[in-house]
Amino acid sequence: ETGVTQTPRHLVMGMTNKKSLKCEQHLGHNAMYWYKQSAKKPLELMFVYNFKEQTENNSVPSRFSPECPNSSHLFLHLHTLQPEDSALYLCASSPPRAYEQYFGPGTRLTVT
Amino acid sequence: QKEVEQDPGPLSVPEGAIVSLNCTYSNSAFQYFMWYRQYSRKGPELLMYTYSSGNKEDGRFTAQVDKSSKYISLFIRDSQPSDSATYLCAMSDTGNQFYFGTGTSLTVIP
Repeated sequence: ETGVTQTPRHLVMGMTNKKSLKCEQHLGHNAMYWYKQSAKKPLELMFVYNFKEQTENNSVPSRFSPECPNSSHLFLHLHTLQPEDSALYLCASSPPRAYEQYFGPGTRLTVT
Repeated sequence: QKEVEQDPGPLSVPEGAIVSLNCTYSNSAFQYFMWYRQYSRKGPELLMYTYSSGNKEDGRFTAQVDKSSKYISLFIRDSQPSDSATYLCAMSDTGNQFYFGTGTSLTVIP
């Protein structure tokens, strides 16, 4: 595996379910990000981790809970989501030059 | 007012045309400017980045930044059908927060 991988690629969940998204980067980067991409809207930065420490949390509802056990893995734990949370969730990583972000293919999430 | 404005298109051009994609922004503190390309069902891929004002060229792609006008552009010369994708501009002030445009959908017709 190379680059940034995300699993699952597609997820359908009910509003009462609990699920987790996984991201893994094989690039030796130190920073990892979660983004939300909705139709006709700009990418929304959700969380930023640098060296496993969360450095940014852009007013994301608590039903989204990130976890970064090491600099290669990032999780997004989901619980009691709303239909408006349906979107493409993208993970990215970057080397010390933070403008250079490498994205995974995303998880297409549908909340029913 | 949005931080970054980008015309969503769609934009359709014949093969070989010069394509011009643009974004405007409101935050004068932005100093890192990026262009990403996103194919359908894929994540965004970094195409070009520029620090502060000026031009940068890479093959058929040229990125321009005009900080005085708060305006950035991406030019694609000799456009190819494989260039058909959504192009996202992105900006940052500190390098920790990133602000994206909504993306412009481009189709290059053979």
